[in-house]
Amino acid sequence: GDSVTQMEGPVTLSEEAFLTINCTYTATGYPSLFWYVQYPGEGLQLLLKATKADDKGSNKGFEATYRKETTSFHLEKGSVQVSDSAVYFCALRGGSARQLTFGSGTQLTVLP
Amino acid sequence: EPEVTQTPSHQVTQMGQEVILRCVPISNHLYFYWYRQILGQKVEFLVSFYNNEISEKSEIFDDQFSVERPDGSNFTLKIRSTKLEDSAMYFCASSTLAGVPYEQYFGPGTRLTVT
Repeated sequence: GDSVTQMEGPVTLSEEAFLTINCTYTATGYPSLFWYVQYPGEGLQLLLKATKADDKGSNKGFEATYRKETTSFHLEKGSVQVSDSAVYFCALRGGSARQLTFGSGTQLTVLP
Repeated sequence: EPEVTQTPSHQVTQMGQEVILRCVPISNHLYFYWYRQILGQKVEFLVSFYNNEISEKSEIFDDQFSVERPDGSNFTLKIRSTKLEDSAMYFCASSTLAGVPYEQYFGPGTRLTVT
């Protein structure tokens, strides 16, 4: 079945550091890929998405590129802020299914 | 901005008791979902619901679970006889029919603790 493997956390960075959170997936067909973010005490919010190979999703300075050849969708940000501290989830939706398959989440803490 | 709400935020119950977790999806959404996250583990899909019936369900969603849309606004998850291993964060989500790729909007979750 479909699965998502996500970089283990927690990740602690200083403000303005470069962020990469790795995500790889296994799926049949051509899944859509997502990054969700969960701020403390809040629900999961869609951060960005990509629906086909080589698509780049971007939002709030975060980017991720759908790489079919490496089955990856790594999340990057050039300069993190304290307000980016949250848990980040990589997810996919495969084929005609509507449900999401999530990775285990990566806790990011950004220190001033 | 419209949002999905869930109540209660934290529910403590004894093993064997029934619990009902409540969700109010976004008003013009047509698909509804429940997911759960056991502490330290992945967010897992439980069930999706459309047009007053279950659309898809995972192997986790066994006979002790049920879902209902009792009125035009609420969407509930019932666990008939809770077990210790049901302790988890339960997330409700909703999405519209239109729009690709059917973005799901999540609620803040209900933390269920079974003692």
